[in-house]
Amino acid sequence: GAGVSQSPSNKVTEKGKDVELRCDPISGHTALYWYRQSLGQGLEFLIYFQGNSAPDKSGLPSDRFSAERTGGSVSTLTIQRTQQEDSAVYLCASSTARGEQYFGPGTRLTVT
Amino acid sequence: QKEVEQNSGPLSVPEGAIASLNCTYSDRVSQSFFWYRQYSGKSPELIMSIYSNGDKEDGRFTAQLNKASQYVSLLIRDSQPSDSATYLCAVTEGRSARQLTFGSGTQLTVLP
Repeated sequence: GAGVSQSPSNKVTEKGKDVELRCDPISGHTALYWYRQSLGQGLEFLIYFQGNSAPDKSGLPSDRFSAERTGGSVSTLTIQRTQQEDSAVYLCASSTARGEQYFGPGTRLTVT
Repeated sequence: QKEVEQNSGPLSVPEGAIASLNCTYSDRVSQSFFWYRQYSGKSPELIMSIYSNGDKEDGRFTAQLNKASQYVSLLIRDSQPSDSATYLCAVTEGRSARQLTFGSGTQLTVLP
């Protein structure tokens, strides 16, 4: 079946611009996660959605970051007024009830 | 703060040897344990899940779990150059399967 998809695969933006990253999870998975991975670094948790519950936003690094999930499926991560330190690969994952997370291919964001 | 510790490596083994990757975790009530493989420039790929003490084998991979010692390992038999990647250990937080804590990964190189 189809895996997690993300778009765009690459995004180059100028400092100060807003960007939107999209994630389409595996059908039937109720949980969706956003992570960030800088070059050569580990996974940094950003935000987690579970069903209709309020999202866990504890990993968002600043109020420039926000995310929403519409209809319990597709999610959008928005970064406002991008900074160079926002440059990273943004990964989305969805999970089974047992916690097995399946990752999308990621969006590579470069802020110039 | 819940922690997952891995030896960052790099770990080098000759082709055909057994590669042993180790992980310790701090949360005593964690229930589910996962190993992910991440090739350079790619997203993490789930390769093993283990939920109870003992060994679980899947092809050339064996996961071992010891909850009393808070220790999980991954053995790769007959290592191949294509196994060269970073291996991430991940552990569910608390009794819930909702979120994972990831280790920083061990970089494995299999030498031809």
